[in-house]
Amino acid sequence: DTGVSQNPRHKITKRGQNVTFRCDPISEHNRLYWYRQTLGQGPEFLTYFQNEAQLEKSRLLSDRFSAERPKGSFSTLEIQRTEQGDSAMYLCASSSAPVRKETQYFGPGTRLLVL
Amino acid sequence: GQNIDQPTEMTATEGAIVQINCTYQTSGFNGLFWYQQHAGEAPTFLSYNVLDGLEEKGRFSSFLSRSKGYSYLLLKELQMKDSASYLCAVNDYKLSFGAGTTVTVRA
Repeated sequence: DTGVSQNPRHKITKRGQNVTFRCDPISEHNRLYWYRQTLGQGPEFLTYFQNEAQLEKSRLLSDRFSAERPKGSFSTLEIQRTEQGDSAMYLCASSSAPVRKETQYFGPGTRLLVL
Repeated sequence: GQNIDQPTEMTATEGAIVQINCTYQTSGFNGLFWYQQHAGEAPTFLSYNVLDGLEEKGRFSSFLSRSKGYSYLLLKELQMKDSASYLCAVNDYKLSFGAGTTVTVRA
């Protein structure tokens, strides 16, 4: 078990470009979450999947953001037409236990800088 | 809405004890997590309280009072490596985090 992995670890892009991040959860974890964290703040929930179904999206997730988990394993988060305000750490977490008992384990994050 | 408050910063001496308080008002509640986060790294799990009372795990203990909407994390025998941000998070299937408490341990 290698834990949650995320790629890339760092991404620098120019405003207006599209970026895609990948998250590989702990194997057999059926729930996968995306969070965003800016400096000096705690992570903020973006969206989550149970298996391949996307069950909730935060109002923080504008139409430029889309997430998929096509086979219920890895997930991708795409940001279209990036803006400087998108600069943040994007964290993925996974869990498997019943909601009340679940522990979410975080990946190392992808740090995005939009110039 | 979700409202989770914790102090911004705390400083303590190596070997001492520090208590980080967290108060919350949330629309749903399944339990309360504490995570540790070193600068530039992902949060790592420390503890999870579902029921009222104290949970002890080595040098770290966490307490929960659901009726008061209150939790604390107690760090004992502080070490330099404990210098980090400590995040309180309410579990309502998704996590709602406080802004984090930066703990600085001085020699």
